[in-house]
Amino acid sequence: KQEVTQIPAALSVPEGENLVLNCSFTDSAIYNLQWFRQDPGKGLTSLLLIQSSQREQTSGRLNASLDKSSGRSTLYIAASQPGDSATYLCAVSLTRGKLIFGQGTELSVKP
Amino acid sequence: EAQVTQNPRYLITVTGKKLTVTCSQNMNHEYMSWYRQDPGLGLRQIYYSMNVEVTDKGDVPEGYKVSRKEKRNFPLILESPSPNQTSLYFCASSLPSAPSGSGYPYNEQFFGPGTRLTVL
Repeated sequence: KQEVTQIPAALSVPEGENLVLNCSFTDSAIYNLQWFRQDPGKGLTSLLLIQSSQREQTSGRLNASLDKSSGRSTLYIAASQPGDSATYLCAVSLTRGKLIFGQGTELSVKP
Repeated sequence: EAQVTQNPRYLITVTGKKLTVTCSQNMNHEYMSWYRQDPGLGLRQIYYSMNVEVTDKGDVPEGYKVSRKEKRNFPLILESPSPNQTSLYFCASSLPSAPSGSGYPYNEQFFGPGTRLTVL
């Protein structure tokens, strides 16, 4: 059964620091991997989607990588800002439509 | 404005009283899905639908029903709610393949604002 793990569960950094969030999955037979952001009391916002044949995706200060063979993905956030404070979730798609989420990393960026 | 809407946003009910949470999207998306989010358990998929009249079970379908009679709507039905269904529920939608026509089977998901359900 596919399991998705995110480490660390919580992270606090000073503003301006570069940081890496980790996501690992147990079954490499995935269609794609998606990173989301969730603000308190709100829904999820899609950040980056990496297809299984891709190695990385970039959007602004965010860069996500995917290594299917090792079952790992990282989300790199450059020059962090207080507005980046949120919970970051990764999710893998196993078959068309079926999605498994990690439990998230709660990020706090201090001014 | 492109969006996914859910109603109600908050609901307190009692055990056994049937309820429906509605989900509607205005983006002409084929794919729609329901999730529940619980502390310590994260987000878990309940049901999903690849298109009209096509639905499939996610990881936690027990106690829930769905229907997809039209593309824009995907209601979640709890025939006999129980306290263990107290949770935060999210609906999501997406196109099934990338806009570039690359044939990838899945695109980014757009989430609704959530429905907080309490079953007493």
